[in-house]
Amino acid sequence: DSGVTQTPKHLITATGQRVTLRCSPRSGDLSVYWYQQSLDQGLQFLIHYYNGEERAKGNILERFSAQQFPDLHSELNLSSLELGDSALYFCASSIWTGGGGELFFGEGSRLTVL
Amino acid sequence: QKEVEQDPGPLSVPEGAIVSLNCTYSNSAFQYFMWYRQYSRKGPELLMYTYSSGNKEDGRFTAQVDKSSKYISLFIRDSQPSDSATYLCAISNAGNMLTFGGGTRLMVKP
Repeated sequence: DSGVTQTPKHLITATGQRVTLRCSPRSGDLSVYWYQQSLDQGLQFLIHYYNGEERAKGNILERFSAQQFPDLHSELNLSSLELGDSALYFCASSIWTGGGGELFFGEGSRLTVL
Repeated sequence: QKEVEQDPGPLSVPEGAIVSLNCTYSNSAFQYFMWYRQYSRKGPELLMYTYSSGNKEDGRFTAQVDKSSKYISLFIRDSQPSDSATYLCAISNAGNMLTFGGGTRLMVKP
């Protein structure tokens, strides 16, 4: 158990809908990262938050947004969903070290868009 | 060209074999090199971490980094069925933003 909690584990929805994925980082970790994993694209970095502030953006679509709350949990909002958004969405947390460090991943939220 | 290239496999070996997993990368600015293991329906977990060229050993696992060739390897000795998983190389510069390879699926047969 990594200590990172993600909900929901599975989600099935229709095209055009909006969903929210939630992540609780490990106790004491200030950084939260969101990754998308699909069969054809592998594990893609979406966005990084540190102590409530956005620190880096990767290949995140404009239809997607995220935030980190004062209690450090984070939410990833996906809107106007398309079939191609079906993927595993992982949250990871770490202690901010300023350098390469270990990320602790949750078990992911599997999104299926029909 | 992807920043990190990794053969997707699958790689099937008999129990007890030595396994070699490899990645190449294109950006010489990368400083930190990691291997993650991902079991089916689970999140990736860190196996090995290094920030310099050379070898690092941890039990049956050895990570090797050759910065001059932009090539990293993970060796697994005496492979076990429990090693069956997808292995992801991950590389970063300062700032924890990891770039992952596509993963190699390994199957160790009893």
